[in-house]
Amino acid sequence: AQKITQTQPGMFVQEKEAVTLDCTYDTSDQSYGLFWYKQPSSGEMIFLIYQGSYDEQNATEGRYSLNFQKARKSANLVISASQLGDSAMYFCAMREKDSSYKLIFGSGTRLLVRP
Amino acid sequence: KAGVTQTPRYLIKTRGQQVTLSCSPISGHRSVSWYQQTPGQGLQFLFEYFSETQRNKGNFPGRFSGRQFSNSRSEMNVSTLELGDSALYLCASSLAETATYEQYFGPGTRLTVT
Repeated sequence: AQKITQTQPGMFVQEKEAVTLDCTYDTSDQSYGLFWYKQPSSGEMIFLIYQGSYDEQNATEGRYSLNFQKARKSANLVISASQLGDSAMYFCAMREKDSSYKLIFGSGTRLLVRP
Repeated sequence: KAGVTQTPRYLIKTRGQQVTLSCSPISGHRSVSWYQQTPGQGLQFLFEYFSETQRNKGNFPGRFSGRQFSNSRSEMNVSTLELGDSALYLCASSLAETATYEQYFGPGTRLTVT
């Protein structure tokens, strides 16, 4: 069964610095998708970035990039130039299988950006 | 374009009662999924609907049920509420034709069972 592991319950970063949030996954499927979501204190899950297992290049979306290392089964999120508004919970998720919308989530990392 | 909307946003119920939560997906999205989020269990998948058909169901008791209407709006119902049902219930919609199957979440309904 698929599993997502986020080993950092909480992290601090100084404003304007870069931070890496770790995510490792376990799956026996060859085709899969990996997602990162941000959840502010309001509760809404905000889609940040997606990486497909066959994508050869790491995904990037503005200040977010995904460091995808397929052989190590890791999909770390890198946030560059942190802003105070980046303080939130961050979840790594995997699509269960092709053609499914079911997401399997990690336990999340709480990021606090210090001014 | 309006995002995913969920109603009500907050709800307080008593053990044994039932509750119905509503989700309106982004216009044009035909897939709707529901998730339960609790501090202890994290985010857990409840159901997935596409064109009024339930395509996938999570490991929850039969007290949890759902449906999707022809306009893609979805409802979930929890009968005989238990204290452990207190959670944030999140609904997500997807365009369905995208290769990434990315989902967009609503603000959630926070249910408190007393």
